[in-house]
Amino acid sequence: KAGVTQTPRYLIKTRGQQVTLSCSPISGHRSVSWYQQTPGQGLQFLFEYFSETQRNKGNFPGRFSGRQFSNSRSEMNVSTLELGDSALYLCASRGAGQGTREQFFGPGTRLTVL
Amino acid sequence: AQRVTQPEKLLSVFKGAPVELKCNYSYSGSPELFWYVQYSRQRLQLLLRHISRESIKGFTADLNKGETSFHLKKPFAQEEDSAMYYCALSSGSARQLTFGSGTQLTVLP
Repeated sequence: KAGVTQTPRYLIKTRGQQVTLSCSPISGHRSVSWYQQTPGQGLQFLFEYFSETQRNKGNFPGRFSGRQFSNSRSEMNVSTLELGDSALYLCASRGAGQGTREQFFGPGTRLTVL
Repeated sequence: AQRVTQPEKLLSVFKGAPVELKCNYSYSGSPELFWYVQYSRQRLQLLLRHISRESIKGFTADLNKGETSFHLKKPFAQEEDSAMYYCALSSGSARQLTFGSGTQLTVLP
């Protein structure tokens, strides 16, 4: 099976702009989670989508939003970018059903805000 | 609230020496614990999880509920073990992972 893919891999934006990141989960996986990784804060959970519905949300401002499509692909949007939004954004997918909560991560999108 | 603590930001050991990466958690219920590893220029990947009680690449980790710890151990470190290691917790109905701050392991020749 192909792994989780994320596009684009690198992005440079300026303050005040908005950005959309995309994630394609492993085939058959219906749960997609997003994480922000920074040197200062480490890995922090943003939100999780399952069957096009947001199931869980981390402690991030409303500028961070997401959605999931019927094919389980997910997008994350950040509006009114701030310098502090510069980070590696990771997407992870998980299979449905019983058992482990193991998540499979994508390579990430490196966002730089100037 | 759940929390994961990895007290060592950096850890260096010599090849062939034992290595232990510490992880402590706080959660009142029954968590599921994981170790994830990130090798240089590679994606974050699962190393092992406590429910499977397996040994991967010579690493083991035992969940100690009394001490709320999930330390990662390997008896003989190899240079290819050099990487960033993250301890993570998933609990209850929450499906997200709560990560520790990570430990950068360097195995010296």
